[in-house]
Amino acid sequence: GESVGLHLPTLSVQEGDNSIINCAYSNSASDYFIWYKQESGKGPQFIIDIRSNMDKRQGQRVTVLLNKTVKHLSLQIAATQPGDSAVYFCAENGNSGNTPLVFGKGTRLSVIA
Amino acid sequence: EPEVTQTPSHQVTQMGQEVILRCVPISNHLYFYWYRQILGQKVEFLVSFYNNEISEKSEIFDDQFSVERPDGSNFTLKIRSTKLEDSAMYFCASSELGADYGYTFGSGTRLTVV
Repeated sequence: GESVGLHLPTLSVQEGDNSIINCAYSNSASDYFIWYKQESGKGPQFIIDIRSNMDKRQGQRVTVLLNKTVKHLSLQIAATQPGDSAVYFCAENGNSGNTPLVFGKGTRLSVIA
Repeated sequence: EPEVTQTPSHQVTQMGQEVILRCVPISNHLYFYWYRQILGQKVEFLVSFYNNEISEKSEIFDDQFSVERPDGSNFTLKIRSTKLEDSAMYFCASSELGADYGYTFGSGTRLTVV
């Protein structure tokens, strides 16, 4: 079946540098995407979302880019901080009558002080 | 900020025993979900619940699982006869408008089956 996946399982970044976390999706019907952050022992926390009628959306220090042509989603974190260390998941909605969100495998971001 | 509350935070049970995981969704939310996460793996969908009935369920959600909204505030997941492979983090989530508008997750219940 169709699924959401991630290119890299781990990413190490120097504090202050920018981080880019990537996600490939294969369900062309998906029109809503979310990035979640999960810290150790906690539930997924909403970071930012984007709908398919947009290519880019910015939040506080985070930007999500959507490339529908190649079915690619990325999360950019500016000036990465130690508190950004976590596992990041992308999720898609599948767009089939409010079907539940489908999560990718996750990328672990480690920030080196 | 409103949050989804889950209890207990950690549950240890013997194989074959029944467990009930409890969740209090955000009060004005109408859509409720259970997901699970085996250690180090991705978050997997179990079941969604809307208008007092299951709206979707995954292959994982077999006859050993059931959900209930016994009153206006609680949402429970019951595993009738636990197996070792049921050991995982179980997350409850709720949404005001459904998956197309994102969820709020609880902090999870770590279930350990011994």
